[in-house]
Amino acid sequence: GENVEQHPSTLSVQEGDSAVIKCTYSDSASNYFPWYKQELGKRPQLIIDIRSNVGEKKDQRIAVTLNKTAKHFSLHITETQPEDSAVYFCAASKDSTGFQKLVFGTGTRLLVSP
Amino acid sequence: EAQVTQNPRYLITVTGKKLTVTCSQNMNHEYMSWYRQDPGLGLRQIYYSMNVEVTDKGDVPEGYKVSRKEKRNFPLILESPSPNQTSLYFCASTGGPQGYNEQFFGPGTRLTVL
Repeated sequence: GENVEQHPSTLSVQEGDSAVIKCTYSDSASNYFPWYKQELGKRPQLIIDIRSNVGEKKDQRIAVTLNKTAKHFSLHITETQPEDSAVYFCAASKDSTGFQKLVFGTGTRLLVSP
Repeated sequence: EAQVTQNPRYLITVTGKKLTVTCSQNMNHEYMSWYRQDPGLGLRQIYYSMNVEVTDKGDVPEGYKVSRKEKRNFPLILESPSPNQTSLYFCASTGGPQGYNEQFFGPGTRLTVL
């Protein structure tokens, strides 16, 4: 089955710096890669996703890149702000038919210091 | 307001005392899942359901049961809880196959088994 590895487990940056979180996946058939943000004491919420027919997707200060050949994808946050501090989870799944299990990475705790 | 609700939010119990965590969604979603979140392990799927009366095991189903008698409800049952089931539990629902759709998470249930 699919295995998703996520690095680093913790990341500390200064406000205004960029942050990059990387994930690798094992199943070459995976084609949907969402990122979820979980603030302290809150539920995970989708912040951005990418499908395998796209190499990069941006939404304001966040972007996700996908390299299908290398089977890795990354989350990029520019101009970080204290409110970006949270745990970020990457995930992977495949196809759209039936129920395709979403496999999560182990999470990255991002701390943005003022 | 579209939402996923869980009850209780916090529960402390003792080994062997049966308990049920309820989950309900008002978005008419077909797909529902249960996850447990443990430090360093991310979100791991316990059980999922594709529709009424259709359920299947996820990655860590041992010690858990579920039922899906109505589309909106997906309770998680621990027949004989043990301390290794102490965790943070999330219910989630999706409007379509996970390969294409955002998962909406409930607020979480923090369970402690003594």
